[in-house]
Amino acid sequence: DVKVTQSSRYLVKRTGEKVFLECVQDMDHENMFWYRQDPGLGLRLIYFSYDVKMKEKGDIPEGYSVSREKKERFSLILESASTNQTSMYLCASSTGTGAHEQYFGPGTRLTVT
Amino acid sequence: AQRVTQPEKLLSVFKGAPVELKCNYSYSGSPELFWYVQYSRQRLQLLLRHISRESIKGFTADLNKGETSFHLKKPFAQEEDSAMYYCAPHQGAQKLVFGQGTRLTINP
Repeated sequence: DVKVTQSSRYLVKRTGEKVFLECVQDMDHENMFWYRQDPGLGLRLIYFSYDVKMKEKGDIPEGYSVSREKKERFSLILESASTNQTSMYLCASSTGTGAHEQYFGPGTRLTVT
Repeated sequence: AQRVTQPEKLLSVFKGAPVELKCNYSYSGSPELFWYVQYSRQRLQLLLRHISRESIKGFTADLNKGETSFHLKKPFAQEEDSAMYYCAPHQGAQKLVFGQGTRLTINP
């Protein structure tokens, strides 16, 4: 069974804290993605990675960074959390190039106070 | 920039009525399009992709290149269809672009 897991379901952090969101997939997928999901805005791509140590900016990378040291793990980092980063964060993975199905994790609801 | 629009944020229909969730895109060429669904307390998952031309859970979606639309349809809605639906054109390489989403509610 396809599996994408995220380290936390709920997270509460204070403004200015450094925040790590972890995502692990067990499907040997090349591609991994981080999105944020906000009501009325849908899913917006923050960063994605198509190979180990490779990363590309998505549509809203400001205030975020990522790390992919191993194929199965893709981390999203908020260097200095702000209240406007309160959101649901979704990780996804897919195989190969071209238009393939993305498999999603359960999401992490982050609240920054 | 390539865009996808789902004009209805909320859609409410009665059980047994037909359902149509609209999706319009602004792409040139022959994009590949997907519909994803998120049921309550479940993760986002693929519902169908236009290239497969399948009917999944009674839903179908036809790509209309002339109107640049990819509307999702079901002739008879069921209560378990209540969910959040996202249209997602393939934006080259490995990326998808998701629409704003439509929350579908099926009333008994």
